[in-house]
Amino acid sequence: GAVVSQHPSWVICKSGTSVKIECRSLDFQATTMFWYRQFPKQSLMLMATSNEGSKATYEQGVEKDKFLINHASLTLSTLTVTSAHPEDSSFYICSALVGGASYNSPLHFGNGTRLTVT
Amino acid sequence: DAKTTQPPSMDCAEGRAANLPCNHSTISGNEYVYWYRQIHSQGPQYIIHGLKNNETNEMASLIITEDRKSSTLILPHATLRDTAVYYCIGLGTGNQFYFGTGTSLTVIP
Repeated sequence: GAVVSQHPSWVICKSGTSVKIECRSLDFQATTMFWYRQFPKQSLMLMATSNEGSKATYEQGVEKDKFLINHASLTLSTLTVTSAHPEDSSFYICSALVGGASYNSPLHFGNGTRLTVT
Repeated sequence: DAKTTQPPSMDCAEGRAANLPCNHSTISGNEYVYWYRQIHSQGPQYIIHGLKNNETNEMASLIITEDRKSSTLILPHATLRDTAVYYCIGLGTGNQFYFGTGTSLTVIP
């Protein structure tokens, strides 16, 4: 159980275009999802917290107008990288909280999306 | 938010126990200690978590000191497939998981 599916697994786009990444919880409902970014040989950096039916909460230094997050249902959150540039090339990973807001709730992660902007 | 400190890298012989330490001296009384691992180019995999008692599951054991300022993840019989980066997570308000630098574990044949 607790499977998180992320799509696509990799994407190549041209500079200036927008890319949408989907994150789905397959066998549970996720009120809260999280989006991370990871550069090569670095740790995961939390970008934003996505709550179903409300605006996402972005971490300091993350541009909300560039990284649009939509969490329209309890099983789907999307991250859209708008006007992508080569420096946005990274590994984007989503995660979902099982069991609601509790310190005793593990996060389950998708397998990530490798974005390359040319 | 509990800040965690881990050694950057460790080696372990195949078949032996791998003991991965983590310091989390700022953890609050109701925060759980979580461990995840990440194999190259994959999403993090949940391993185990605990509050103050030692925990064991099919993957690993978690030993938490009585003062909760540190913990040790134990992989009882490390295999080559256990080579990964292991993260001890500090749990923030709102259940935001902030990842530290982790420990890169290499299991040696």
